[in-house]
Amino acid sequence: DGGITQSPKYLFRKEGQNVTLSCEQNLNHDAMYWYRQDPGQGLRLIYYSQIVNDFQKGDIAEGYSVSREKKESFPLTVTSAQKNPTAFYLCATKGGQGALQNHMNTEAFFGQGTRLTVV
Amino acid sequence: QKEVEQDPGPLSVPEGAIVSLNCTYSNSAFQYFMWYRQYSRKGPELLMYTYSSGNKEDGRFTAQVDKSSKYISLFIRDSQPSDSATYLCAMARSNFGNEKLTFGTGTRLTIIP
Repeated sequence: DGGITQSPKYLFRKEGQNVTLSCEQNLNHDAMYWYRQDPGQGLRLIYYSQIVNDFQKGDIAEGYSVSREKKESFPLTVTSAQKNPTAFYLCATKGGQGALQNHMNTEAFFGQGTRLTVV
Repeated sequence: QKEVEQDPGPLSVPEGAIVSLNCTYSNSAFQYFMWYRQYSRKGPELLMYTYSSGNKEDGRFTAQVDKSSKYISLFIRDSQPSDSATYLCAMARSNFGNEKLTFGTGTRLTIIP
């Protein structure tokens, strides 16, 4: 069935360790996003990609890295430089063809999230 | 000042009550307004979508946009325990596919049976 798959659902990271969160989509959407959600702070944009092999920093990119080698995949690596990584991480996609206007282009589709905890 | 402000709550109301959720914004370029619903430990899902000013109704839900006041609302009539969730407002300047969404912080709502 169509949608966005995030894995794992729960992830535990030791101090100083890098971890990678997976996000796969079969919606054929161009744009993909990574958000971090903390209590009382809403969704904060980490990185986004509008096309394969291209991505831009969001509002809180420090300590994170991404790649976009395939349209379907946008993995997020939480590096040891991220000092407070415990949070709920959400991957999202948006449809349409880049700069084309379309009524439905504004809807973002979300995965079910990965909860990352530092132990 | 954040571009989008939303009262984080929490908000608790008895079953059957009318619920009003609100967001204010500062960027007059926003033209597309959305409400997302997020159940605990799940990803958000689109609930309502409105373009420019006006009202939009879908069943028990009504979305209202007042661009002159930079204020949007979501009303829930005959609230049910299944409406208990976090509600996030979101906004965009255009409906281009590469436009980013700007989210509010979310309001946590509990409907008491």
